[in-house]
Amino acid sequence: DAGVIQSPRHEVTEMGQEVTLRCKPISGHDYLFWYRQTMMRGLELLIYFNNNVPIDDSGMPEDRFSAKMPNASFSTLKIQPSEPRDSAVYFCASSPEPGLSPYEQYFGPGTRLTVT
Amino acid sequence: TQLLEQSPQFLSIQEGENLTVYCNSSSVFSSLQWYRQEPGEGPVLLVTVVTGGEVKKLKRLTFQFGDARKDSSLHITAAQPGDTGLYLCAGAVSGTYKYIFGTGTRLKVLA
Repeated sequence: DAGVIQSPRHEVTEMGQEVTLRCKPISGHDYLFWYRQTMMRGLELLIYFNNNVPIDDSGMPEDRFSAKMPNASFSTLKIQPSEPRDSAVYFCASSPEPGLSPYEQYFGPGTRLTVT
Repeated sequence: TQLLEQSPQFLSIQEGENLTVYCNSSSVFSSLQWYRQEPGEGPVLLVTVVTGGEVKKLKRLTFQFGDARKDSSLHITAAQPGDTGLYLCAGAVSGTYKYIFGTGTRLKVLA
């Protein structure tokens, strides 16, 4: 398997523009997570899905952020309008059903977003 | 709010030295994971510990979960330049599938 795939790897945009980040999870994984990483705040969970359904979006910073998972192989994180403080590395991770053991998260390579 | 504090924040050592990284919280976690992240990549899982007092070894790395499941440590013996990276602990929030990540320890091993 190719692992979790994210695109684009780098995105530079101007304040006020719409930004869409994309993620393809590992095939067969039931859970998908979106994280944001900054030097100041570390790695923060934004939202996670189970079987394409959003379970917990309490980490989404504000209404400018939205996430969708239209099918098991694709998810998007959208920021509209973008602001300079949204600059960060955004990671997508997926995991199989945990079963009897805690689940393992497999992270993608991340999208580095810069908003000028 | 559950927080995981890691110490030290930065560590620069010579090849062959030993080191310990700590992960502390006032909250109890049902399990705890350690990840290593290299520049330009996502975190990669090293180990998961579940039982209070549990010790796991991965080659030169030794992981321990505190008896009360509030803290953990990572000990590296005879560090090598390939151990360089950002080490993150992550605690599982009971009753959910969420993990809270620690503040991170950035390790640099000099040849």
